[in-house]
Amino acid sequence: DAGVIQSPRHEVTEMGQEVTLRCKPISGHDYLFWYRQTMMRGLELLIYFNNNVPIDDSGMPEDRFSAKMPNASFSTLKIQPSEPRDSAVYFCASSPLGDTQYFGPGTRLTVL
Amino acid sequence: AQSVTQLGSHVSVSEGALVLLRCNYSSSVPPYLFWYVQYPNQGLQLLLKYTTGATLVKGINGFEAEFKKSETSFHLTKPSAHMSDAAEYFCAVRRRGATNKLIFGTGTLLAVQP
Repeated sequence: DAGVIQSPRHEVTEMGQEVTLRCKPISGHDYLFWYRQTMMRGLELLIYFNNNVPIDDSGMPEDRFSAKMPNASFSTLKIQPSEPRDSAVYFCASSPLGDTQYFGPGTRLTVL
Repeated sequence: AQSVTQLGSHVSVSEGALVLLRCNYSSSVPPYLFWYVQYPNQGLQLLLKYTTGATLVKGINGFEAEFKKSETSFHLTKPSAHMSDAAEYFCAVRRRGATNKLIFGTGTLLAVQP
């Protein structure tokens, strides 16, 4: 059974460019979470969805960040325009009932 | 507001020695508590969780943690460290109720010396 799938695994882009990170949750999981991990701030929850509906986006840093979940098997996190301070590892996690979360391998984003 | 504190950002033990990673939480009501492990260049993996019932929780890879309400603690232990235990460990809390939001500690990097 496949786990949470994230793509790309690595992304290098230049400041000002649009970045789109993708996530496929585990089939049957109703919850999807986006996290950002940096040395300075640790692991931060950005947003989470329940049944494709955003429930809590209070962790989204600013308007440059947006997340969508058009269906139960796909979600995107978009940064437009990207800035060097957005460099981090972005994790997607899914959960069947909202408690135990299963993490993907992450996307390492570098903004030059 | 809930928070979780992990004492010691780096812990080093010898192979075969006891592993003790500390976690204290701040919450007016005992929350749900979790320990996750992160191996290099990987996502987080659940080690164990406490929701209700028995306060000593056993997890994968020989780890266990004990919920102590009087000390607001949920320390992670393993009797005998193995080289493969070298990783970063995160304690997390979730408030009981409607939210599914996990609050993570800053992590403890465990090194195991041969």
